[in-house]
Amino acid sequence: DQQVKQNSPSLSVQEGRISILNCDYTNSMFDYFLWYKKYPAEGPTFLISISSIKDKNEDGRFTVFLNKSAKHLSLHIVPSQPGDSAVYFCAARYQGAQKLVFGQGTRLTINP
Amino acid sequence: GAGVSQSPSNKVTEKGKDVELRCDPISGHTALYWYRQSLGQGLEFLIYFQGNSAPDKSGLPSDRFSAERTGGSVSTLTIQRTQQEDSAVYLCASSLPSRGTQYFGPGTRLLVL
Repeated sequence: DQQVKQNSPSLSVQEGRISILNCDYTNSMFDYFLWYKKYPAEGPTFLISISSIKDKNEDGRFTVFLNKSAKHLSLHIVPSQPGDSAVYFCAARYQGAQKLVFGQGTRLTINP
Repeated sequence: GAGVSQSPSNKVTEKGKDVELRCDPISGHTALYWYRQSLGQGLEFLIYFQGNSAPDKSGLPSDRFSAERTGGSVSTLTIQRTQQEDSAVYLCASSLPSRGTQYFGPGTRLLVL
C-alpha cells in the first residue's frame, strides 16, 4: 500500500523553463512534507519542506505547494538549471512520528 | 563539519552469509535512522534510534534484520542469512532531536548473489 505516490517516473524540461514535480498521498495523518534530491551514488539531500498548516513555502528557485483537500503537493523549480538533473523524492511524516514515508521518486532531466 | 558516513560503500556477498553495515552519524545528532532503497523503489524505513529510548523497529522486514547503536553514536545494521531480495542500497540518516531534518549518508550498495 503506497501511501506516498509519485506517478511520473521521469520528467524532461528545457533549461530555463519551470519544472513541476508532483506527489500524492493517501493518509490524512501526515502533517509534514519534504522534498529530497538525489544524485547517483549519493544519499538524498534535503531540499525544502512544508508543514500541513501552510499551503506554500518558497526558498530561492524552489517552491512547494500543498493542497490538503486534494492530498497533493508539488515542487516547482524555476528557472530550471542543468544541475537540477537528479531524482526527486517526496516524503511525508506522521503526526508525532519521526520516520519518513517516501514516494518512488521522479527522475528530472534538464536539457540545455 | 563531517556529514553522515557509511561503510562499506559496496558489498557483494553470497546467499546465506551474514553482513554488517556501519553508520557514523553527524556529531551531536541523537536521532539515527536506517532506510533501504530497492531497485526502482522509494526509500523504505527500517529502524529508528533516539537517544536512550527503545528503538522503533517497526520497519524491519524480518527477524534476520537487526540493528544496534553503541554509545549513542555509531550504528550497525546486521542482516543474517542474506537472501537475494535483500539486495538494495541501505541508507543511514541522522538528525537533531525534536523531529529535525534528516541528513543522509551515501549508502551501502548490497548485492546478494
